[in-house]
Amino acid sequence: KNEVEQSPQNLTAQEGEFITINCSYSVGISALHWLQQHPGGGIVSLFMLSSGKKKHGRLIATINIQEKHSSLHITASHPRDSAVYICAVYTGANSKLTFGKGITLSVRP
Amino acid sequence: KAGVTQTPRYLIKTRGQQVTLSCSPISGHRSVSWYQQTPGQGLQFLFEYFSETQRNKGNFPGRFSGRQFSNSRSEMNVSTLELGDSALYLCASSLARGGDAFFGQGTRLTVV
Repeated sequence: KNEVEQSPQNLTAQEGEFITINCSYSVGISALHWLQQHPGGGIVSLFMLSSGKKKHGRLIATINIQEKHSSLHITASHPRDSAVYICAVYTGANSKLTFGKGITLSVRP
Repeated sequence: KAGVTQTPRYLIKTRGQQVTLSCSPISGHRSVSWYQQTPGQGLQFLFEYFSETQRNKGNFPGRFSGRQFSNSRSEMNVSTLELGDSALYLCASSLARGGDAFFGQGTRLTVV
């Protein structure tokens, strides 16, 4: 079993829909990253969370440390949100990132 | 402020050769980590450098090595290349260990 699991594996949405992507982890963590990767490879860090909730524009990330679960929400989705979304965790006192397999999101116009 | 710069962006090498990839972190960032991304395995941690010292190493063979210079720039080297080393190699820098990570665009290595 992977230490970081993401669901669903693939997701298709219509423009304007509210989207939720989930991440569960099975180890103790010090922080969790949500990353976005567009075709071509470049990765952008959207959020780093260790507790609570963060918001940036149309994106909201939440984390529940007790339940070992995090969600990334996209409000008013747009085709430019189409990308792979990857959850990654810093495990314990370690500063190495462990990654989920990522979710491919397609937003149709 | 310039982002994380990786060079080269693309590379084609032959089996058995060696390769060196470079990563220039964001100015002031002292932690540099390297990752390998393949379609089958996803993103995997290679190693982390901080203040010119390797602090963490992932589960990769000894053919994979790296170093960090006094200006925090880092290089990784892969010797005796194998077809399975074909991948996107990403580096990320952060101000401190375990901090917010900023990724470069990656170097896409193809081994033929």
